[in-house]
Amino acid sequence: QKEVEQNSGPLSVPEGAIASLNCTYSDRGSQSFFWYRQYSGKSPELIMFIYSNGDKEDGRFTAQLNKASQYVSLLIRDSQPSDSATYLCAVNFRNQFYFGTGTSLTVIP
Amino acid sequence: DVKVTQSSRYLVKRTGEKVFLECVQDMDHENMFWYRQDPGLGLRLIYFSYDVKMKEKGDIPEGYSVSREKKERFSLILESASTNQTSMYLCASRSRVLIGNTIYFGEGSWLTVV
Repeated sequence: QKEVEQNSGPLSVPEGAIASLNCTYSDRGSQSFFWYRQYSGKSPELIMFIYSNGDKEDGRFTAQLNKASQYVSLLIRDSQPSDSATYLCAVNFRNQFYFGTGTSLTVIP
Repeated sequence: DVKVTQSSRYLVKRTGEKVFLECVQDMDHENMFWYRQDPGLGLRLIYFSYDVKMKEKGDIPEGYSVSREKKERFSLILESASTNQTSMYLCASRSRVLIGNTIYFGEGSWLTVV
């Protein structure tokens, strides 16, 4: 069983702050890593993916990957109330996606 | 634009009924998946298919079966619905293996078994 662990939260941050979401995974053979956002009652939608060690930036979002420590994180800069959602980490291992249970984020106006 | 369509969004079925959940994708993707999502348990893989007429069990296949007769369509079948199958079901598809290829989800089917 592949393990993908996330702190379930809830995580609360004030508007304009940086939100930091973390994810650890158990299998060193994992190849690529994805962050999804899921609004209540909706399906997950892709934010970004990363497969090389280091940082990858896309607008207000930065994904960070450290394969040696087996963790991946998502930073959301200038958090907005519209960022309030559950964030799912997914790990691709041998063409299978394994999901964490998600972190609930609330951005307080 | 990527499109995964789940035709039944909200269903209420009786215990013991046979239930069909249909999923169609228009992206010519080889891989298709069925997940269920429950509070606190996250997304759990029920079945997946790498290509037409191929199917593989996921983590929780018991009580479910699937059918993939055409590339664009992947059906989930609950042979005899039970109350513990009340859940949100998500269909997803993905192109063949490339390291950055993501999964695209349908909008979900909310099933209540009474």
